[in-house]
Amino acid sequence: GAGVSQSPSNKVTEKGKDVELRCDPISGHTALYWYRQSLGQGLEFLIYFQGNSAPDKSGLPSDRFSAERTGGSVSTLTIQRTQQEDSAVYLCASSRGREAFFGQGTRLTVV
Amino acid sequence: SQQGEEDPQALSIQEGENATMNCSYKTSINNLQWYRQNSGRGLVHLILIRSNEREKHSGRLRVTLDTSKKSSSLLITASRAADTASYFCATDTSGTYKYIFGTGTRLKVLA
Repeated sequence: GAGVSQSPSNKVTEKGKDVELRCDPISGHTALYWYRQSLGQGLEFLIYFQGNSAPDKSGLPSDRFSAERTGGSVSTLTIQRTQQEDSAVYLCASSRGREAFFGQGTRLTVV
Repeated sequence: SQQGEEDPQALSIQEGENATMNCSYKTSINNLQWYRQNSGRGLVHLILIRSNEREKHSGRLRVTLDTSKKSSSLLITASRAADTASYFCATDTSGTYKYIFGTGTRLKVLA
């Protein structure tokens, strides 16, 4: 595709519900990243997929967070039993090398 | 966890002036990148500097890297109102292109 696409762009959910965030990377990009950004803060690394290697999950904040990447392309970030502190913008990026291309993010609001 | 920390956190200058932002990091790196973020959404790659390089230029941007001090600076010359954004450094410590972002500098250029 022309760029990294994330959906939905905005999501409001009730505390305790599960949510799924989707990322469509640029075709041919072997690396895919998920970051979280709270209001006015920096980017917090969550998870990194590189080709067929086991993903680097070292940034996932709790076992309520999980992510998968199917067929080396589309990725889904799942947050179970959402909490208010999960409210943030979730950014996905993909890369074929050094430069990462970012999507516009999903703004998650847990009420 | 944050690897990089930008300084200052916020900067306000007049159009035409130069803007300098600094990034300090904690562990040795393979390369360092600078990104710009408008309106709290997707980031755009600006420039990459490798650990064996000391300075790079791209248009009005000049990046320096001092590995002995574990710091980098981004200089934007002849700033424009359109340069108003948040600027982040991102470091790759393992050579696997897993990028950890800093806390960002919010730049405001006044017309």
